[in-house]
Amino acid sequence: SQKIEQNSEALNIQEGKTATLTCNYTNYSPAYLQWYRQDPGRGPVFLLLIRENEKEKRKERLKVTFDTTLKQSLFHITASQPADSATYLCALDPPGNQFYFGTGTSLTVIP
Amino acid sequence: DAGVTQSPTHLIKTRGQQVTLRCSPKSGHDTVSWYQQALGQGPQFIFQYYEEEERQRGNFPDRFSGHQFPNYSSELNVNALLLGDSALYLCASSLGQGAGNTIYFGEGSWLTVV
Repeated sequence: SQKIEQNSEALNIQEGKTATLTCNYTNYSPAYLQWYRQDPGRGPVFLLLIRENEKEKRKERLKVTFDTTLKQSLFHITASQPADSATYLCALDPPGNQFYFGTGTSLTVIP
Repeated sequence: DAGVTQSPTHLIKTRGQQVTLRCSPKSGHDTVSWYQQALGQGPQFIFQYYEEEERQRGNFPDRFSGHQFPNYSSELNVNALLLGDSALYLCASSLGQGAGNTIYFGEGSWLTVV
C-alpha cells in the first residue's frame, strides 16, 4: 500500500518568509495529488490539486510542485502570515477517491 | 449553500457499545466517504458510498458499517466499540467517484470510548 511521508518535525518560520513543506510517497504515482489545510479540531479544507502531467500549480501565495520521478511534492507558502499557522496534509488521489493522506506537517508562523 | 454537515459533534461511549454517526453531503454531491483520524495522524479511509452502495473499503474490520440514503446522506455505524476507536470521524463528499474531484470535509464527530 501507499506510504506517504511529510516533514516529520513541526515547522516554525518567521512572518514574511517562505514555508516549504515536503510530501514523499512510495509505490505508484497517483494521477493527482492534493493539499489540504487543517486547523485544530476542524475538518481539512482543500487548497490545491495538481495533476501528474503538471510540474507546478499556483494559487495566490501558494505553490505546489509534483515530481513523479522523485515521487515528491513540495508545497510553498510565500510571504507567510501568522494566519497560515495550521497543519497541512498531503493526499494522494488515485482513481475512486480513496485518498491516502500523510500525517501532516504542523506549521507555525511567528510574528 | 450548506457544506458537509455531521452530527453529533462530540460523544462519549463505553467499550462494547455501538455508535451511529450521521452526515449530510454538500448540496449537489452524490458520493460520501468516511475517514477516521486519530490524534496526530492523517485521515484514514474507511469506506465510500455511491448510489446507496459501498463502492470501496479501506482496511477496517466489519465492525464498521455504513449506509447511504436516497437523498445521499450517510451513516457510519461502529459496533462493539474498542478504546482504539476513539478518534475524529470525518465525512467527505464529492460529485462522482473519479480521481481529480475535490472532496469537501465536514467538521467531524469526536468519538471518545471509555
